[in-house]
Amino acid sequence: DTEVTQTPKHLVMGMTNKKSLKCEQHMGHRAMYWYKQKAKKPPELMFVYSYEKLSINESVPSRFSPECPNSSLLNLHLHALQPEDSALYLCASSLGPINSPLHFGNGTRLTVT
Amino acid sequence: GQQVMQIPQYQHVQEGEDFTTYCNSSTTLSNIQWYKQRPGGHPVFLIQLVKSGEVKKQKRLTFQFGEAKKNSSLHITATQTTDVGTYFCAVGGGTSYGKLTFGQGTILTVHP
Repeated sequence: DTEVTQTPKHLVMGMTNKKSLKCEQHMGHRAMYWYKQKAKKPPELMFVYSYEKLSINESVPSRFSPECPNSSLLNLHLHALQPEDSALYLCASSLGPINSPLHFGNGTRLTVT
Repeated sequence: GQQVMQIPQYQHVQEGEDFTTYCNSSTTLSNIQWYKQRPGGHPVFLIQLVKSGEVKKQKRLTFQFGEAKKNSSLHITATQTTDVGTYFCAVGGGTSYGKLTFGQGTILTVHP
């Protein structure tokens, strides 16, 4: 079991759809992350929020739009995705942004058709 | 950002055999973290190493950080089927706070 909750667990969307992934933690962590993971590959960092401000954007295409409404919530808004965006999207949190272990959610398995 | 090479990519062992995965960097690391991801699961934090030459143990798992802080290893003694999964090392991004970069991972298969 994980203390980082992600919804939905699975998502299938067409290339013209708009959808959102949600992530929630109640551990008082002040850094939250989005990672993308393809099969048999390591997680790749997409975004980092530190104290509710976007601190890192790893040159992610604008069809992915992150949002941090408060210190416990993290969203990833999806629009006009491509089939190659199909992957496991992992949310993580850590106590702070520096050298703190990451706590991952179970992930959202996204399929773009 | 900092990068790390992890080997081997795959390791198949018989239950009871030992297993080791290695991570190597060309630059000095401030710290290194290790994660385990079970098939179909998410990465789970195992340990963080900070000090030069540090050795930490968790039951059958032994973690080492090199004297020069450029390499690290994870050793499992007498593997069990529950050890199956992918083991990742991960390193921080120096001045890029929050940028944790994962090694390629070692996929461990344990045959009963």
